[in-house]
Amino acid sequence: QKEVEQNSGPLSVPEGAIASLNCTYSDRVSQSFFWYRQYSGKSPELIMSIYSNGDKEDGRFTAQLNKASQYVSLLIRDSQPSDSATYLCAVEGWGSYIPTFGRGTSLIVHP
Amino acid sequence: GAVVSQHPSRVICKSGTSVKIECRSLDFQATTMFWYRQFPKKSLMLMATSNEGSKATYEQGVEKDKFLINHASLTLSTLTVTSAHPEDSSFYICSARDQYNSGNTIYFGEGSWLTVV
Repeated sequence: QKEVEQNSGPLSVPEGAIASLNCTYSDRVSQSFFWYRQYSGKSPELIMSIYSNGDKEDGRFTAQLNKASQYVSLLIRDSQPSDSATYLCAVEGWGSYIPTFGRGTSLIVHP
Repeated sequence: GAVVSQHPSRVICKSGTSVKIECRSLDFQATTMFWYRQFPKKSLMLMATSNEGSKATYEQGVEKDKFLINHASLTLSTLTVTSAHPEDSSFYICSARDQYNSGNTIYFGEGSWLTVV
């Protein structure tokens, strides 16, 4: 059973701070990793994908992948109240085209 | 980025009737689409994987005769909730894989709120 674990939160950070969201996965041969943002009552929207160890930056977002530790994270710099949402981590294994989603972490950015 | 359109966004139906939800990939061909169900404040639950030109693969516990999935073309998959009951009321979301572009990424439709009365 492939598992993707996320702390459900809520994670509360002040506006302007860095929000750090974490995700661990059980399948060692996982190859593709995605972060999605889901606002309440809406469907998920893709923020970033990452496939190689290290950091990948896109604007205020940085994804970090460590395959040895089976760990992927998302950093949000200069957090804004509009970043308040649930963040979903998704993982795909080698040769598997069915992503496994975590339960999501609720992020609250307060003014 | 790629766009996946889902319709209708909201539907109310009477108990015992059937409802069809459409999922279209607008600017790419999707050989694989996924259907999810989500209850308020709960996680996504994968219902089935829809493959163009073949039968859908249903997850354990999902009734294939109740949730009919058809993937007749590379840009369209449909989910039909048959003989709907109030417990079927939920948020249904489709997603499609852009296999040839965008790093094989999965994009979600806007979701469909189903209320069975």
